[in-house]
Amino acid sequence: AQSVSQHNHHVILSEAASLELGCNYSYGGTVNLFWYVQYPGQHLQLLLKYFSGDPLVKGIKGFEAEFIKSKFSFNLRKPSVQWSDTAEYFCAVTTLNRDDKIIFGKGTRLHILP
Amino acid sequence: AAGVIQSPRHLIKEKRETATLKCYPIPRHDTVYWYQQGPGQDPQFLISFYEKMQSDKGSIPDRFSAQQFSDYHSELNMSSLELGDSALYFCASSLVEEARYEQYFGPGTRLTVT
Repeated sequence: AQSVSQHNHHVILSEAASLELGCNYSYGGTVNLFWYVQYPGQHLQLLLKYFSGDPLVKGIKGFEAEFIKSKFSFNLRKPSVQWSDTAEYFCAVTTLNRDDKIIFGKGTRLHILP
Repeated sequence: AAGVIQSPRHLIKEKRETATLKCYPIPRHDTVYWYQQGPGQDPQFLISFYEKMQSDKGSIPDRFSAQQFSDYHSELNMSSLELGDSALYFCASSLVEEARYEQYFGPGTRLTVT
């Protein structure tokens, strides 16, 4: 069964700092990878996704992630964070089965200091 | 664009009561997924339906049941509620035939059991 591991449970940064959130997955086959964001009291929103092709994917709000197959990693990055990026970020994976469930990581709570 | 609709948005029940949560997928979507997110936890998959048939089952208690109706909306029925059932319940939908592996999440129903 697949699993997702997020390295940091809680990250605190100042505005304009660069961000990298680690994510590793465990699965023997091909996967689809996602990053979701959950703002306080709100629902999950898709930041970006990787299905195939260019391993560097760009998402909304200036976020990007790089899929490194050899490392089973899909780290999320943003060169300069804003106070409004304060939220919880979930890395997630599905297999290529058409209706497969999403397996989420435990989440990283990001707090940006103004 | 139409999104996934969940009702009610908030629900307060007492222990041992029953609750019914409803999910209306994006029009044309044929698959519905239910996830449970406890306080400070990552979302956990409960159950999914494809074309009105159960397609996968996760960590759903026997006290819970769900179904998908002919109009593709889904209901999650929860009986003998326990304090530990207090959580945010997300519904997501997808169009499996498009094989885009992307699930669209609703705003969630926050269930509080007292």
